[in-house]
Amino acid sequence: QSALTQPPSASGSPGQSVTISCTGTSSDVGNYNYVSWYQQHPGKAPKLMIYEVSKRPSGVPDRFSGSKSGNTASLTVSGLQAEDEADYYCSSYAGSNNLGVFGGGTKLTVL
Amino acid sequence: EVQLVQSGAEVRKPGESLKISCKGSGYSFTNYWIGWVRQMPGKGLEWMGIIYCGDSDTRYSPSFQGQVTISADKSISTAYLQWSSLKASDTAMYYCARPTLVGGIIMWIDYWGQGTLVTVSS
Repeated sequence: QSALTQPPSASGSPGQSVTISCTGTSSDVGNYNYVSWYQQHPGKAPKLMIYEVSKRPSGVPDRFSGSKSGNTASLTVSGLQAEDEADYYCSSYAGSNNLGVFGGGTKLTVL
Repeated sequence: EVQLVQSGAEVRKPGESLKISCKGSGYSFTNYWIGWVRQMPGKGLEWMGIIYCGDSDTRYSPSFQGQVTISADKSISTAYLQWSSLKASDTAMYYCARPTLVGGIIMWIDYWGQGTLVTVSS
């Protein structure tokens, strides 16, 4: 199963919004609403930010939102803050006999 | 508070064996799955496999089947990842994780361990 495709980098100034895409296929992102997003700061473990395409776990700021259209899921960070600078990974269910796939990751830089 | 605490960093030579651990606390260990995720230097995340800690039902990603062994000891709430013969390409950070499964489907990962860095070098 191939990894999901994410842009390697994204950037924005404080207060701006930025959207990170995650492109899969009709076998994963396009066929299931089981997309999740993780934030990883350098040297730290990933943290769940979005699950089931657009749901936020308790404690995650509402500046983070998720959506999906066809085979592409998106994570939008609004009102960028310095602490949002991190790597972001998407993940999706990819059918039976498969534990799921991750994207290659996007490094978000807050300018 | 749910916690997954992993064993410390390891340095091994190619061909050596290794077993790293992940101790769960703050929840009913036997009612959940534990998974292992690899992150090679500067790279993304990859599922290696998962184990149901109640009965040790184990599933592996095809890329890792036969390359590693995942096990659990419910008496001490600990899951393990082991190699019988390490290769230089096994050098990576390994995270244990507690995924949420519904109907056998991994939906998302709620909790992560702090990671164990494994370095394999001659």
